[in-house]
Amino acid sequence: GNSVTQMEGPVTLSEEAFLTINCTYTATGYPSLFWYVQYPGEGLQLLLKATKADDKGSNKGFEATYRKETTSFHLEKGSVQVSDSAVYFCALRAGGGADGLTFGKGTHLIIQP
Amino acid sequence: GAVVSQHPSWVICKSGTSVKIECRSLDFQATTMFWYRQFPKQSLMLMATSNEGSKATYEQGVEKDKFLINHASLTLSTLTVTSAHPEDSSFYICSASPRVGDYYGYTFGSGTRLTVV
Repeated sequence: GNSVTQMEGPVTLSEEAFLTINCTYTATGYPSLFWYVQYPGEGLQLLLKATKADDKGSNKGFEATYRKETTSFHLEKGSVQVSDSAVYFCALRAGGGADGLTFGKGTHLIIQP
Repeated sequence: GAVVSQHPSWVICKSGTSVKIECRSLDFQATTMFWYRQFPKQSLMLMATSNEGSKATYEQGVEKDKFLINHASLTLSTLTVTSAHPEDSSFYICSASPRVGDYYGYTFGSGTRLTVV
């Protein structure tokens, strides 16, 4: 079946540090890949996505590249801010149509000033 | 943008009673809605997919008679946890999509924390 594995948290960084949150997946076919972010007290928000191999999703300074050869979709940001503190979820959607998402466990990111 | 409202945000109920959770799309019509369950420090697990006007499709291992899903209109889906037990305590999250296959439209509610005592 489909699965998503992402690094365990919490991840604690200082402001302006470089961020990497690892995500690897297992899926049949060619899934679409997503990163969602959940700020305290809020619902999940789509951060970025990629639909095919070598696609790079980007938003708000975050980037992730769909690597089919390594089945990975690592999230990166060059300089994090305190406001980036949240829980980040890697997810995939396998196939077309109205499919639900398969999520990783989430990574709690804490940015200290 | 697309907004999904989920209500209540938290609920405490006695064992054996039923609890209804509502998921509303506020500014778009949702032909498809999804219900997820999240245990502490665990992934969101897809429970079921509901399409307006038809029966929900449940994921393997999810009891359809315990988790009743009704998607009677294009703006409202409800999840009813029947005869709740402490093991049903969890965080339930809904997601709505304005049209089939449109993953841009996967908008999530803020979730409902259910505690069964």
